[in-house]
Amino acid sequence: GEQVEQRPPHLSVREGDSAVITCTYTDPNSYYFFWYKQEPGASLQLLMKVFSSTEINEGQGFTVLLNKKDKRLSLNLTAAHPGDSAAYFCAVRTGNTGKLIFGLGTTLQVQP
Amino acid sequence: DMKVTQMPRYLIKRMGENVLLECGQDMSHETMYWYRQDPGLGLQLIYISYDVDSNSEGDIPKGYRVSRKKREHFSLILDSAKTNQTSVYFCASNPLGDQDTQYFGPGTRLLVL
Repeated sequence: GEQVEQRPPHLSVREGDSAVITCTYTDPNSYYFFWYKQEPGASLQLLMKVFSSTEINEGQGFTVLLNKKDKRLSLNLTAAHPGDSAAYFCAVRTGNTGKLIFGLGTTLQVQP
Repeated sequence: DMKVTQMPRYLIKRMGENVLLECGQDMSHETMYWYRQDPGLGLQLIYISYDVDSNSEGDIPKGYRVSRKKREHFSLILDSAKTNQTSVYFCASNPLGDQDTQYFGPGTRLLVL
């Protein structure tokens, strides 16, 4: 079945720097991809949903890139600020069971 | 606004006690999910419910059962809780017309002593 690997597990950057989190997946038939943000002690908040036909997806302060050839999904925070400090999870939708396969998460710390 | 509720938010139980976690949504969502989240293990799917009385095991169903008698409520039951079931439990659901996107509830922190 589908496997999702997320890197790095921990990331520390300074305010204003960029931060990149990457997920690789195995099933070439995967067709929806998601990024969730989880602040400490809180729930998972949907950041972006990406369909497989869209390679570049712009959000507020971040970009999601999908490389279907390499089966790689990345979240790029362009100018990180302390409010971006959180855990980030990628998820991949594959098949027709409704299941999402999640990466193990990346804990991002943005230093002022 | 997608709203999934969970009760209780915090719970302490002794080993061997029964545990009932409740999840609700008032948007007639069809598919609902129960996950647990543990450090280093990410989110693990326990059960999926496609509709009333239409439930399917997820990846780690052992030690859990579920109940869905009304579309808006999905319960997770631990009969005789074990200490290794200490975790944070999240419920999620798919909005109508979007079977791909899951929206999560606030979570229940369960401690089994």
